[in-house]
Amino acid sequence: IQMTQSPSTVSASVGDRVTITCRASQSISIWLAWYQQKPGKAPKLLIYKASSLESGVPSRFSGSGSGTEFTLTITSLQPDDFGTYYCQQYHSYSVTFGQGTKVEIK
Amino acid sequence: QVQLVESGGGLVKPGGSLRLSCATSGITFSDYYMTWIRQAPGKGLEWISYIDSSSNYINYAGSVKGRFTISRDNAKNSVFLQMNSLRVDDTAMYYCATDRKGIGEDGHFFDIWGRGTMVFVSS
Repeated sequence: IQMTQSPSTVSASVGDRVTITCRASQSISIWLAWYQQKPGKAPKLLIYKASSLESGVPSRFSGSGSGTEFTLTITSLQPDDFGTYYCQQYHSYSVTFGQGTKVEIK
Repeated sequence: QVQLVESGGGLVKPGGSLRLSCATSGITFSDYYMTWIRQAPGKGLEWISYIDSSSNYINYAGSVKGRFTISRDNAKNSVFLQMNSLRVDDTAMYYCATDRKGIGEDGHFFDIWGRGTMVFVSS
């Protein structure tokens, strides 16, 4: 299953609402996770089951969608939110990631 | 304190072998599926393999099937990745991570990650 994220890069100001889209090449129901990765660090789990917030993750992060189209929304971008965001499907036994969306702070 | 620490990376020639290790602490290791994920320099994430808590169920990505072998030792709280017939395009940071599949979730996603170990394949 191929996962396609858009945009590739987003540049936004502190306080802005940021939305990242992830599309699956076939239906994956709600079996989608989102991760944040900062340069030189391991990824961090943010969201699973499309919309479940991982413990300890700020509530400004939210996920939605089902089937083939999903979104990750940051309601009020903070300076610490820079990094690359990846979606990952786990509908199939062989999981796959999107190519990543880089979030830059203006 | 929960910790995953990978080791065993380094420089190897094409066709060579390496064995990666991931030592865990602070978790009930025998409860968890474990997984390996890699990231080529400047590129995205690629899932490699996972193994269930009792080593009965294993799956590999097509890109490594037949060349890489995942294993675990629950007595040592560790998971391993034996990598044979290495190719230049295996060059990547290799992460181990805990997999929520084995602890009540419906699929494979990854909540605790190590810092990674770098593998360079070059002549």
